[in-house]
Amino acid sequence: EADIYQTPRYLVIGTGKKITLECSQTMGHDKMYWYQQDPGMELHLIHYSYGVNSTEKGDLSSESTVSRIRTEHFPLTLESARPSHTSQYLCASSSLGQGPGNTIYFGEGSWLTVV
Amino acid sequence: DAKTTQPPSMDCAEGRAANLPCNHSTISGNEYVYWYRQIHSQGPQYIIHGLKNNETNEMASLIITEDRKSSTLILPHATLRDTAVYYCIAGGSGGSNYKLTFGKGTLLTVNP
Repeated sequence: EADIYQTPRYLVIGTGKKITLECSQTMGHDKMYWYQQDPGMELHLIHYSYGVNSTEKGDLSSESTVSRIRTEHFPLTLESARPSHTSQYLCASSSLGQGPGNTIYFGEGSWLTVV
Repeated sequence: DAKTTQPPSMDCAEGRAANLPCNHSTISGNEYVYWYRQIHSQGPQYIIHGLKNNETNEMASLIITEDRKSSTLILPHATLRDTAVYYCIAGGSGGSNYKLTFGKGTLLTVNP
């Protein structure tokens, strides 16, 4: 079982509010990721990090921002939420080792609805 | 990551083997084949991965063709709980730039 946790699982907020989605992992993984997925659609990588103080943009442009101050923590922030941000956000982590492939472990996801 | 092609959907009877195909004809020599699955509304779950040889674990078997241009994920005795979207991904050579690109996957429906 993967030890990666996301909070909140479900959030309904009004337009213009600032929100932070929390993600924590206890596996000591260096790499962490945020994916975005609309219902019935593909997963899209929006942010990733190689380690502390490292953040990179993913394949899909996103108005969200991330930070990586501690190895185990990779929060995602929306400064001013809009209805177009309504989606599921999935956090994941993997080791940075040179081993045979880096298995990625996912959290349960955070469902965000902006009204 | 190399591009992969999977059928959009498949059906399987409960208790039977489910064989999910994947084409990855542009895979490079150091890229792995990964399989993940996503049960409705949950985060994707790792199943298995391989490079050249066939692999088996408690969840599934992975058969990779000799030319590595295609593979098959086998669930030997499918149950209703195996109903999910299955993603085949070719990539991840283990370097620091590694990240996974998920496609549309195959929706496997296991019928009673």
